[in-house]
Amino acid sequence: AIRITQSPSSLSASTGDRVTFTCRASQGIANYLAWYQQKPGKAPKLLIYAASTLQSGVPSRFSGSGYGTDFTLTVSCLQSEDFATYFCQQYYVYPLTFGGGTKVEIK
Amino acid sequence: EVQLLESGGGLMQPGGSLRLSCAASGFTLSNYAMSWVRQAPGEGLEWVSTISKSDGRPYYADSVKGRFTISRDTSKNTLFLQMSSLRLEDTAVYYCAKSLHYSDSFINFDYWGQGTLVTVSS
Repeated sequence: AIRITQSPSSLSASTGDRVTFTCRASQGIANYLAWYQQKPGKAPKLLIYAASTLQSGVPSRFSGSGYGTDFTLTVSCLQSEDFATYFCQQYYVYPLTFGGGTKVEIK
Repeated sequence: EVQLLESGGGLMQPGGSLRLSCAASGFTLSNYAMSWVRQAPGEGLEWVSTISKSDGRPYYADSVKGRFTISRDTSKNTLFLQMSSLRLEDTAVYYCAKSLHYSDSFINFDYWGQGTLVTVSS
């Protein structure tokens, strides 16, 4: 199975900050990567798919990049509603796998 | 409006069986691959199973293969997960999720249910 490693596992930031977190796949997955945001007690929400395509309705402060094994999610100007946990998911091959998550907390 | 409504969770003893349901509305379930994803308390997301749109072929995580069965009833627009030989480590919130794409080749999830909690405990 393809292992997905997310880093950092958590970070503290302030509103207005630019934050970036990464996913690394144990083998190449082309651009078959999605990013999700999850808030406590809620289902995940799709933010980005195909590594860099913004899902409809998602604010443009979210952006994704990467190809192959290394991917990043950037939030250009953190808003209060962005404090959450972010997961990435590869869909290049079964079994589908998720990263362990990055929790973004208020500094 | 797309909605997914899971039901069927509960408290079960190890070795028991349970069937989860996911009633879909606002779209035709058979037009998309559908999946189950679970999340143990305080943990990350784990993909469990997918049923393909085209031929209903099932795919399973190794952790549930041989114990869980995914299926769908297109007449009821409902997805199911039959769970048997339950283990303590199956304790989780189980989400059903709809694939964003029409193609079976791209399985990421644009709509999720609210989740149903399965607790396996003696």
